[in-house]
Amino acid sequence: DVKVTQSSRYLVKRTGEKVFLECVQDMDHENMFWYRQDPGLGLRLIYFSYDVKMKEKGDIPEGYSVSREKKERFSLILESASTNQTSMYLCASSPINKKAEAFFGQGTRLTVV
Amino acid sequence: AQKVTQAQTEISVVEKEDVTLDCVYETRDTTYYLFWYKQPPSGELVFLIRRNSFDEQNEISGRYSWNFQKSTSSFNFTITASQVVDSAVYFCALSPWGRDDKIIFGKGTRLHILP
Repeated sequence: DVKVTQSSRYLVKRTGEKVFLECVQDMDHENMFWYRQDPGLGLRLIYFSYDVKMKEKGDIPEGYSVSREKKERFSLILESASTNQTSMYLCASSPINKKAEAFFGQGTRLTVV
Repeated sequence: AQKVTQAQTEISVVEKEDVTLDCVYETRDTTYYLFWYKQPPSGELVFLIRRNSFDEQNEISGRYSWNFQKSTSSFNFTITASQVVDSAVYFCALSPWGRDDKIIFGKGTRLHILP
């Protein structure tokens, strides 16, 4: 069974903390994504990666960075967490250039207090 | 500009009723893909269907069916004889050909199936 696994379902962090959200996929997919999901706003792309060490900013990259040192792992980093980053974070992966569907992780609900 | 509009924010129907979720998209591309995803309370988005812009055939999969009409830029999703397990948020999405990074999601429709 193919899988995208996010390291935590729920996280509570303090304002100013550095936060790491981890995502691992076992499908050998080239593309990986980090989305943020908020009520009434749908899914918004934070960052996209199409290869190891390659990344592109999405629609809302401010306050976030990413790391992709290995093909299967894509990390989202909040350098200094703020309360407006309280949200549901979804990781996804897809194969390159095949227009196959993206596979999603179960999401991490992050609360910044 | 590319955009996906799901005008229905929330729908409630009684079990066994049929329900249609609307999706209207905007794109200038001639080649593109359309998707529907389901997000149950567990949180993970589950892929339901992919359609490319050259294939306007409607599709049926069990109780689910999809109506793609390029003339009206719509890709509507119907659940026949709804069940409580169909309760979820449903997302329609658009992806241009050759742009792996671009998946434009609608804001989702929350569907409640009442027993």
